[in-house]
Amino acid sequence: DVKVTQSSRYLVKRTGEKVFLECVQDMDHENMFWYRQDPGLGLRLIYFSYDVKMKEKGDIPEGYSVSREKKERFSLILESASTNQTSMYLCASSFRGYGSYEQYFGPGTRLTVT
Amino acid sequence: GDSVTQMEGPVTLSEEAFLTINCTYTATGYPSLFWYVQYPGEGLQLLLKATKADDKGSNKGFEATYRKETTSFHLEKGSVQVSDSAVYFCALSDPGANSKLTFGKGITLSVRP
Repeated sequence: DVKVTQSSRYLVKRTGEKVFLECVQDMDHENMFWYRQDPGLGLRLIYFSYDVKMKEKGDIPEGYSVSREKKERFSLILESASTNQTSMYLCASSFRGYGSYEQYFGPGTRLTVT
Repeated sequence: GDSVTQMEGPVTLSEEAFLTINCTYTATGYPSLFWYVQYPGEGLQLLLKATKADDKGSNKGFEATYRKETTSFHLEKGSVQVSDSAVYFCALSDPGANSKLTFGKGITLSVRP
């Protein structure tokens, strides 16, 4: 069964802390994505990776960085968490190619920054 | 750039009612179109998709037809159930965009018994 897992379902951090969100997929997908989901705004792409060590900025990369050292793992890093980064974070993965492949999503991490 | 517009929500229906959720899009090329569903406490999962004009995607009693002339991909179901209560997202992906998705804002559907 296809699986994308995220390291935490709920996380509470303080302003200024460095935060790591981990995502692992077991489908040998080349592409991995990080989104944030906010009410009334839908899903917005933060970063995208199409291969190990490769990354591309999405629509809202400010305040975030990513790391992809292994094909199955994609990490989202908040260098210095701020209250406006309180949100639901969703990881997804897909095959890579010219066609439009389905993205598979993890269950999400609800991050609260106080 | 690409964009997806969904009708405003939330939507509340009685069980067995007919459902239509409107979705229109703007894209430069010939995108693939998707409906994703998010049940409470879960991530998104693909509900259905269509990859070219006049294609109809269907799954779990839901249907949507890719209408190029009206740039629309409206979601329909003839008889909703309480278990259909969820958030529904319309999305598109350009063929050359490496499967990156552009999402609409989502709409919450509540079905009451």
